[in-house]
Amino acid sequence: SQQGEEDPQALSIQEGENATMNCSYKTSINNLQWYRQNSGRGLVHLILIRSNEREKHSGRLRVTLDTSKKSSSLLITASRAADTASYFCATGPSSNTGKLIFGQGTTLQVKP
Amino acid sequence: DAGVIQSPRHEVTEMGQEVTLRCKPISGHDYLFWYRQTMMRGLELLIYFNNNVPIDDSGMPEDRFSAKMPNASFSTLKIQPSEPRDSAVYFCASSLSRVNGYTFGSGTRLTVV
Repeated sequence: SQQGEEDPQALSIQEGENATMNCSYKTSINNLQWYRQNSGRGLVHLILIRSNEREKHSGRLRVTLDTSKKSSSLLITASRAADTASYFCATGPSSNTGKLIFGQGTTLQVKP
Repeated sequence: DAGVIQSPRHEVTEMGQEVTLRCKPISGHDYLFWYRQTMMRGLELLIYFNNNVPIDDSGMPEDRFSAKMPNASFSTLKIQPSEPRDSAVYFCASSLSRVNGYTFGSGTRLTVV
């Protein structure tokens, strides 16, 4: 079952621009994570934000979390062609079982 | 660490045959997860283990699917008999604890003809 819903489904930008992807979810969470998947590869963990956090940074990545709206956003600043990939949000339930439910993902294309 | 290692990378089999996918998690990771990825259904959690014990297998599609983790360094996902609709990329992932990111393997692309 899908928990997170990413928006948009696809995004195309020019190198140097910022990319923003959004994720909405339905049930209470313990944490929310973002992953990147390059074509034909496994997923790579980018960042984890806990339910009591509102914002987190990692390099060119900025993640926000609004638990009242059950939504999160991933901002990639100064995008590069190498950022071209699919990006997934994943939610860990409030029961903190350890499992993650992934959304359908946003496909990002960064044109050089 | 070599990361999560899955084998084989690709598997093509005929309908009705048994398929076994293998996974070696990162040493010291207590959690192991099996996911299936298709265009239509996205990433689906099939089953996960904590300290080699299956915790939640509610995502296993049907009795044709089974998974084992005989020790902390090895897990298998078996499909018997396989069907064309099982064609997908199967990922194994491991995690250090309940609130850590996952490390994914490169996946096994299964094609059942």
